[in-house]
Amino acid sequence: DTGVSQDPRHKITKRGQNVTFRCDPISEHNRLYWYRQTLGQGPEFLTYFQNEAQLEKSRLLSDRFSAERPKGSFSTLEIQRTEQGDSAMYLCASSLVPPSSDTQYFGPGTRLTVL
Amino acid sequence: LAKTTQPISMDSYEGQEVNITCSHNNIATNDYITWYQQFPSQGPRFIIQGYKTKVTNEVASLFIPADRKSSTLSLPRVSLSDTAVYYCLVGDGSGGSYIPTFGRGTSLIVHP
Repeated sequence: DTGVSQDPRHKITKRGQNVTFRCDPISEHNRLYWYRQTLGQGPEFLTYFQNEAQLEKSRLLSDRFSAERPKGSFSTLEIQRTEQGDSAMYLCASSLVPPSSDTQYFGPGTRLTVL
Repeated sequence: LAKTTQPISMDSYEGQEVNITCSHNNIATNDYITWYQQFPSQGPRFIIQGYKTKVTNEVASLFIPADRKSSTLSLPRVSLSDTAVYYCLVGDGSGGSYIPTFGRGTSLIVHP
């Protein structure tokens, strides 16, 4: 069990650029979540997949954000035309439901800084 | 959505037992209660999960009263390395679709 991995760990970009993050969940986990976290706040839900199907998406999520999980394994999160307000830690988590009751295992996160 | 309320911060000393309570008044029948620990610049780490009564593992205990409107995470004999933010998350554990909603968590500081 290698855990959830995320790439890159840090990303610095200029306002208006597009960025893409990758998440590799724990093998065999069918659920994959994306969160955003800013300083002093808890993780904020963005979206989640059950296998390759995107089941929920936050209504707070701008159309500039899109996520995919094409084969039900790894996932990518793309942010188009980045804004300074997008600066945050982007977290990925995975779980296996059933049999677990959605116990989520988090990756180390990708720290995005938009200049 | 099951909203949770926790104290913003707590202080303790090494060797003491720490109890962090989370309120979740509108918890649903299928909801489980899960606690996570987070260190700076890291992702949250699973601590313990329960549905009702008491659950214990090697690092913590979780107490859930009969009405399930609150839960208490108990950390026995804390050390400096337990200084972290602790989150309770209430969510559908039956396999149904739901939106996980984390609160601001409780910042625990353990003093020497």
